Amino acid sequence: DVKVTQSSRYLVKRTGEKVFLECVQDMDHENMFWYRQDPGLGLRLIYFSYDVKMKEKGDIPEGYSVSREKKERFSLILESASTNQTSMYLCASSPFKGSRSGSSYNEQFFGPGTRLTVL
Amino acid sequence: AQKITQTQPGMFVQEKEAVTLDCTYDTSDPSYGLFWYKQPSSGEMIFLIYQGSYDQQNATEGRYSLNFQKARKSANLVISASQLGDSAMYFCAMREPQTGANNLFFGTGTRLTVIP
Repeated sequence: DVKVTQSSRYLVKRTGEKVFLECVQDMDHENMFWYRQDPGLGLRLIYFSYDVKMKEKGDIPEGYSVSREKKERFSLILESASTNQTSMYLCASSPFKGSRSGSSYNEQFFGPGTRLTVL
Repeated sequence: AQKITQTQPGMFVQEKEAVTLDCTYDTSDPSYGLFWYKQPSSGEMIFLIYQGSYDQQNATEGRYSLNFQKARKSANLVISASQLGDSAMYFCAMREPQTGANNLFFGTGTRLTVIP
């Protein structure tokens, strides 16, 4: 059974703290993604990675950085958390675009999400 | 410009009836994929159905079907015989394969409530 796990379901941090959100997938997927989800805005892509040590900015990278030292792990880092980063953070993974995973047509598999509150 | 537009913030449907959730998209790429995801109150995103731009037939998956109208750039999700467990947020998403990682662009979602 495919699995994407995130280190925390709920997290409360203070303004200015450095925050690490961890994501691990066990499907040997090349691609990994970090989104934030806010009411009325849907999911917005923060960063993605298509290989180890590779990263690309998404639509809203400001205030975030990422790290992918191993294929299965993709970390999202908030260098200095701010209240406007209070949100639900979703991690996802998908296989390389040139391949198909059964009938799933390179769907993205999502983790359970981390609800981050910055006070 | 928005790549994916979902114009219905909320929808209600009577149990056992069918409901259509609207989705329109914007792309100039001839090769693209359209996805629908369900997000229950627990938060996880569940993949429901996929439609490729070159697929000749509308996708179906159990009680889910996708009404794909390419010329109108719409990909509406139809849920037949609604169940109480269908109450959730539903997101339409599009993949444009020119990027290296199969990025998905998501709409803002529609909250479906099934009434007993």
